[in-house]
Amino acid sequence: GESVGLHLPTLSVQEGDNSIINCAYSNSASDYFIWYKQESGKGPQFIIDIRSNMDKRQGQRVTVLLNKTVKHLSLQIAATQPGDSAVYFCAERGGYGGATNKLIFGTGTLLAVQP
Amino acid sequence: DAGITQSPRHKVTETGTPVTLRCHQTENHRYMYWYRQDPGHGLRLIHYSYGVKDTDKGEVSDGYSVSRSKTEDFLLTLESATSSQTSVYFCAISERQGGVSDEQFFGPGTRLTVL
Repeated sequence: GESVGLHLPTLSVQEGDNSIINCAYSNSASDYFIWYKQESGKGPQFIIDIRSNMDKRQGQRVTVLLNKTVKHLSLQIAATQPGDSAVYFCAERGGYGGATNKLIFGTGTLLAVQP
Repeated sequence: DAGITQSPRHKVTETGTPVTLRCHQTENHRYMYWYRQDPGHGLRLIHYSYGVKDTDKGEVSDGYSVSRSKTEDFLLTLESATSSQTSVYFCAISERQGGVSDEQFFGPGTRLTVL
């Protein structure tokens, strides 16, 4: 996973706009990816996942896009609301097989929604 | 956080003292994990369990031990706490590992400060 220093990258958007949060993953053999949302003082909350045999998956107001060619994952949030303000991070599963398919987590992006 | 509790939620201790953190789940999930979260790092796996009395080391296991005597409880012990173990600790659970999906559900976290 990434390590980008003490200050998280921040995405500032206006309420009602669409948000796109990006994640670069490290392992071309990773076969499964998850996006999590973490509000201040709380545990990470599952948002959406995608397997490597898919390019796109949609949920309620969220879409995840996977580009395996450049090892890039994005999370799109439609009509961003103040309650979407949080840190968002991706996780990849290494695809090593067996019982040791552990998740590797990125450091995250802070989404700040302006009213 | 439904179905996963962590105790204590906050703890301040002194260097050299033993500390035990508890994770309790009511979901009857097979897999349980302990992570630590620090600024500049993604969630890092300390130890995990794939069944009662079955545990294995993660990425940052030095200085930590775990035990799982019942499906619902996973204990993390710092035998002799050091200041470098000041962190927020998260427990997670998952129903499966290495299958179609690996979504992990997280507890609310324990903030540990070692003086």
